[in-house]
Amino acid sequence: AQSVTQLDSQVPVFEEAPVELRCNYSSSVSVYLFWYVQYPNQGLQLLLKYLSGSTLVKGINGFEAEFNKSQTSFHLRKPSVHISDTAEYFCAVSEVRSYIPTFGRGTSLIVHP
Amino acid sequence: GAGVSQSPSNKVTEKGKDVELRCDPISGHTALYWYRQSLGQGLEFLIYFQGNSAPDKSGLPSDRFSAERTGGSVSTLTIQRTQQEDSAVYLCASSLVPLAGGPVEQFFGPGTRLTVL
Repeated sequence: AQSVTQLDSQVPVFEEAPVELRCNYSSSVSVYLFWYVQYPNQGLQLLLKYLSGSTLVKGINGFEAEFNKSQTSFHLRKPSVHISDTAEYFCAVSEVRSYIPTFGRGTSLIVHP
Repeated sequence: GAGVSQSPSNKVTEKGKDVELRCDPISGHTALYWYRQSLGQGLEFLIYFQGNSAPDKSGLPSDRFSAERTGGSVSTLTIQRTQQEDSAVYLCASSLVPLAGGPVEQFFGPGTRLTVL
């Protein structure tokens, strides 16, 4: 069975600073990996996804993530955050041939001026 | 085009009452999911519909929870005899069915915030 761990429930950071949101997963088979963002009172929106190929994936809003198979990690990064990046971020894993992704508990990114 | 819509956006009910939550998926999306999002708990899978196949109900927490999908489109999640622990945001998502073994990209609605007093 697949599982996802988001190590930080909350990450405070100052505007224009870099940020990394951590995600580790567990699975016995090949997986697809996703990061979603949820702004207040909205549904989840896909930021980026890893399917195969290059381990560095670029997404919307300047975010990127790196798939590390040996570490079973898929950490999300942004070199310089904006106030508007304040939101909840969810990592999700989906085993190949499974149509039901498993989501982490979420990390609240709080960007201070 | 229109995204996934859910109604109502907020629902306050008394303990013991039944509630119905509605989801309108993106047109053409044959897969539909319901999740429950509780504070600090992330997204908890509830049920998955795919076309005319029998739904995957493995995530439903009790027999008070049920869902149906009419005509392969609109879905209703029903919670009977609501309890205070049912208070949460209920999210619906839809997707196209991927090619065999392919990834699922889900599109989420804004959710229904349920408060059970």
